[in-house]
Amino acid sequence: AQTVTQSQPEMSVQEAETVTLSCTYDTSESDYYLFWYKQPPSRQMILVIRQEAYKQQNATENRFSVNFQKAAKSFSLKISDSQLGDAAMYFCAYVPNSGGGADGLTFGKGTHLIIQP
Amino acid sequence: DTGVSQDPRHKITKRGQNVTFRCDPISEHNRLYWYRQTLGQGPEFLTYFQNEAQLEKSRLLSDRFSAERPKGSFSTLEIQRTEQGDSAMYLCASSLGAPPRKQYFGPGTRLTVT
Repeated sequence: AQTVTQSQPEMSVQEAETVTLSCTYDTSESDYYLFWYKQPPSRQMILVIRQEAYKQQNATENRFSVNFQKAAKSFSLKISDSQLGDAAMYFCAYVPNSGGGADGLTFGKGTHLIIQP
Repeated sequence: DTGVSQDPRHKITKRGQNVTFRCDPISEHNRLYWYRQTLGQGPEFLTYFQNEAQLEKSRLLSDRFSAERPKGSFSTLEIQRTEQGDSAMYLCASSLGAPPRKQYFGPGTRLTVT
């Protein structure tokens, strides 16, 4: 079974600084997708960024970028120029692209990101 | 695109009662997912539909839980004989199914079993 591990229950960063959230995963699949979701205090999950396992290039979305290390099964999220609105729970998630019908996301336990003004 | 909607947003029920939640996906999305999230944890996958077919169920979906998507549009999740351990946020998501496999989440239904 696939597992996703987020080893940082909470992280704190000063506004305008850069922070990196860690995620590791375990799978026997070679083709899969990885995601970072943000869940603000209002609780609605928002997709931040997505990475396809067969693409070596790290995904970027404005201030958000990932460091995808497939051999190490590591998928970290870097937030540059942190803003107060970035404060939220961040979840790392995995789904195989096996074609076998499995399509439910496996989530980590999350990292609570605090932005210090 | 009005987003994924869920109803009700909050439900308080007594142990042993049955409850039903509804989810309306984004209109062109053919896949619909249910997750459960307890306090301080990440969401846990329960089940998903492609159109009206239920394609995957997790071990978390005990026989007290049943989900339907009769016409391939909205879905309902029913919990029979609720237990205090069922207290959680129930999240619905939808997707196009094909790559890029993005799932869009609704606001959730918070269930409290007293």
